Amino acid sequence: SYELSQPLSVSVALGQTAMITCGGNNVGSKNVQWYQQKPGQAPVLVIYRDSYRPSEIPERFSGSNSGNTATLTISTAQAGDEADYYCQVWDSSTVIFGGGTKLTVL
Amino acid sequence: QVQLQESGPGLVKPSETLSLTCGVSGYSISSGYYWGWIRQPPGKGLEWIGSGHHSGSTDYNPSLKSRVTIFVDTRNNQVSLRLSSVTAADTAVYFCARLNYNSGSVDPWGQGTLVTVSS
Repeated sequence: SYELSQPLSVSVALGQTAMITCGGNNVGSKNVQWYQQKPGQAPVLVIYRDSYRPSEIPERFSGSNSGNTATLTISTAQAGDEADYYCQVWDSSTVIFGGGTKLTVL
Repeated sequence: QVQLQESGPGLVKPSETLSLTCGVSGYSISSGYYWGWIRQPPGKGLEWIGSGHHSGSTDYNPSLKSRVTIFVDTRNNQVSLRLSSVTAADTAVYFCARLNYNSGSVDPWGQGTLVTVSS
C-alpha cells in the first residue's frame, strides 16, 4: 500500500519561513493536499492540487510537488500557524494521509 | 455553505457495533461528491475509514474493510458509518467529510465526535 512520510516536528522562528516535507514514491505524479489541525479542532484544507490555496487561506501558505517529495511552505510564520500539518493523496480509490508534522513557532 | 455534523453514542462496548450519522446541510448529497469518514485516535494521526457516493459506490480502507459499512442516505441527506466488532483500538475522534475526487481534497470536515470503546 502507498505510504507518505513526514517529519514528526519542525520548528521555525517567528517571522521566518517553515518548510514541511511529505515523501512518497513518485508523489510528484499525484495531487497532494495539505491540512492544518489545531488542538481540539477538525483539520482545515490549506493547499490542494499541490499548490492551490482555498480563498480563505493566506498567501503565506504555498505548496510544491516534484519527484518523491511534496513541500508545504509557510512564509513569515506567525504564532497562529502553530499546529499539526498533514499531507494527503488519493491512491487507487483510497485516501492516504501522512503521519503529520507538529509545527512549533519559536 | 456546506456544513457537516456527526452524531451518535460516545461510548460503545467491546465487540459491539459503532454507529454514527453525519448530517449534511447546505448541499444535497445526491448532487455529487463522495462522502467519507476519517478517524483520529487520541494523540495520533488521521486514518481514512472509507467513502461512499449516492450511486451506491463505496471504497474502504483495506485494514478495516471487513468491519465497515458506509451508507449515503439521499432521503435524509446524511451519511452513516457502521463499524462492527469494536475494540479499544477503535477509540478515536470520528470525522465525516466531503471528498472531491477531481481535486483530491477532503473539505469541508465536520467538527468530529469522540467515541470511546470500553465496558
